[in-house]
Amino acid sequence: GAGVSQSPRYKVAKRGQDVALRCDPISGHVSLFWYQQALGQGPEFLTYFQNEAQLDKSGLPSDRFFAERPEGSVSTLKIQRTQQEDSAVYLCASSSHRSDTQYFGPGTRLTVL
Amino acid sequence: TQLLEQSPQFLSIQEGENLTVYCNSSSVFSSLQWYRQEPGEGPVLLVTVVTGGEVKKLKRLTFQFGDARKDSSLHITAAQPGDTGLYLCAALSRAGGTSYGKLTFGQGTILTVHP
Repeated sequence: GAGVSQSPRYKVAKRGQDVALRCDPISGHVSLFWYQQALGQGPEFLTYFQNEAQLDKSGLPSDRFFAERPEGSVSTLKIQRTQQEDSAVYLCASSSHRSDTQYFGPGTRLTVL
Repeated sequence: TQLLEQSPQFLSIQEGENLTVYCNSSSVFSSLQWYRQEPGEGPVLLVTVVTGGEVKKLKRLTFQFGDARKDSSLHITAAQPGDTGLYLCAALSRAGGTSYGKLTFGQGTILTVHP
């Protein structure tokens, strides 16, 4: 497909478990963003990659959140020792360099019990 | 951090009615975007407005950017059930010297159009 894909689409974790969420951006897109969207709210910025470099991680809520994009393509958002407040939809978006148009994936809905 | 206030938070109308959604801030925006998000999907960009006073039309949707670039509105004419969804405004900001635009979203307006 030509769009941004994310997996898994749904993830249920027990409190304290580690989770890994994957994002496949549009091929050739330099920029990659992660957002967190709580129920009934707008998305909130988490972190930004330009190719493999993580240039902005100001939105990561705690040191339990870690993101990587080692080869400048696929990205993984990892949450360690999940808490109930981590329950949300995690959205990934990509864009071409210097473009203001971000293309969003369908998101991963994380539920922490 | 720019704070965007959207109103109303919920809107439930009948097919054929008109509606307006508002997005306000105390800060000046360099540019503002409107998105539509359907359940189980990511937001999809509808429009970007850049110039104060700018009006853009997309079929039955009219977007306006305030003269002072602190507010924006989305007007839908003759709403249809297919317009149902979450409408989000987002301010695009660039930290000094960066090449990327960071989006700050409003809390959204949930629109339901009944047949």
